[in-house]
Amino acid sequence: DIVMTQSPDSLAVSLGERATVNCKSSQSVLYSSNKKNFLAWYQQKPGQPPKLLIYWASTREFGVPDRFSGSGSGTDFTLTISSLQAEDVAVYYCQQYHSTPWTFGQGTKVEIK
Amino acid sequence: EVQLVESGGVVVQPGGSLRLSCAASGFTFNDYTMHWVRQAPGKGLEWVSLINWDGSSTEYADSVKGRFTISRDNSKNSLYLQMNSVRTEDTAVYYCGKGQIGTTMGLFDYWGQGTLVTVSS
Repeated sequence: DIVMTQSPDSLAVSLGERATVNCKSSQSVLYSSNKKNFLAWYQQKPGQPPKLLIYWASTREFGVPDRFSGSGSGTDFTLTISSLQAEDVAVYYCQQYHSTPWTFGQGTKVEIK
Repeated sequence: EVQLVESGGVVVQPGGSLRLSCAASGFTFNDYTMHWVRQAPGKGLEWVSLINWDGSSTEYADSVKGRFTISRDNSKNSLYLQMNSVRTEDTAVYYCGKGQIGTTMGLFDYWGQGTLVTVSS
């Protein structure tokens, strides 16, 4: 199984400041045939189901604000919130869909400082 | 608008059985792979099972293999999860997740609100 490890487990950022969440996979999630990284990011607010934010490591889902961006390749990935808003308080999960079983990181809780 | 509505979550004793359902609307259900993903209280997300568009292909997490069975009824736009021989560690909110068209790839673009299964004596 591919193990996904996120860091940090939690972070507190001031409103308007940048928040960065890291995700590392135990093996590459890049398919050489199509040069795509099978990596997604989800946002889960309290009491709600997860919401897809980013797929293919850097493609924003329709309707997701452009302050959210994803980067990275192979085994190391980053989710960046360029200017944290109050509504961004949530737990963020990375997930690989390269091979079954699809696996998630443990989650990173983002709060306001 | 895509909607996924789960039901069937109950309190069940260890070793018991239950069936979860997910009613889908707002998209062409029989074109898409569907998934179940669970989340234990206060914990992270764990993929449970997938079924392809016509039910001919299924996969399971090792933790549920041999105990859970996924199925679908495309005439009713419904997804199911039969849970047998449940254990305390199966206690979780179970989410129905919409997958992708033409592939069993585990990218979930819509999720239901979830249904809580509690396994306790």
